[in-house]
Amino acid sequence: EDKVVQSPLSLVVHEGDTVTLNCSYEVTNFRSLLWYKQEKKAPTFLFMLTSSGIEKKSGRLSSILDKKELFSILNITATQTGDSAVYLCAKISGTYKYIFGTGTRLKVLA
Amino acid sequence: GAVVSQHPSRVICKSGTSVKIECRSLDFQATTMFWYRQFPKKSLMLMATSNEGSKATYEQGVEKDKFLINHASLTLSTLTVTSAHPEDSSFYICSARGRDGGNQPQHFGDGTRLSIL
Repeated sequence: EDKVVQSPLSLVVHEGDTVTLNCSYEVTNFRSLLWYKQEKKAPTFLFMLTSSGIEKKSGRLSSILDKKELFSILNITATQTGDSAVYLCAKISGTYKYIFGTGTRLKVLA
Repeated sequence: GAVVSQHPSRVICKSGTSVKIECRSLDFQATTMFWYRQFPKKSLMLMATSNEGSKATYEQGVEKDKFLINHASLTLSTLTVTSAHPEDSSFYICSARGRDGGNQPQHFGDGTRLSIL
């Protein structure tokens, strides 16, 4: 079964902390890996990673892919309460279907 | 950026009712649309892939007669939950991609929260 596994499942931090979210996947039919942020409604796109070792950054968020070890991390520095959300990792498979992980529920306390 | 509109955002109805959910791509031609279901505190589970002008491809365990999908145009796909029961209550989200968007991010609608009483 093609799986994407995220850890931790949930995390509570204080404003200003740095967090690292993990995503591991199976190598079968891998095309790309994506990170999404989901608040109350639909997921919003954060990053798409296709090549290993190239960090992508957007403000306080950054992400990198390790295709040898089959994982990706999403880092958020200087967290704010607005970062509270579920962060989803998804693998694009050979047939271009998305396989989502269970998500990491992040809560940032003021 | 690309926008996907999903309607309605919330439905509450009685058991046995059929419910139709629409997913529209507003500024691009969506050759493929995807329908997902999300249970509380769980991830998105792909239900079916809908290609314009052809029959939808359903994932294992998803009843095609229960969840009818129509993708009659390049900007509209519909999901009809037929004879809905309380166990069908869930958050349904659609996404869409364009003609050359195979390895590009999908654009998601805002979801429909379906509650069957």
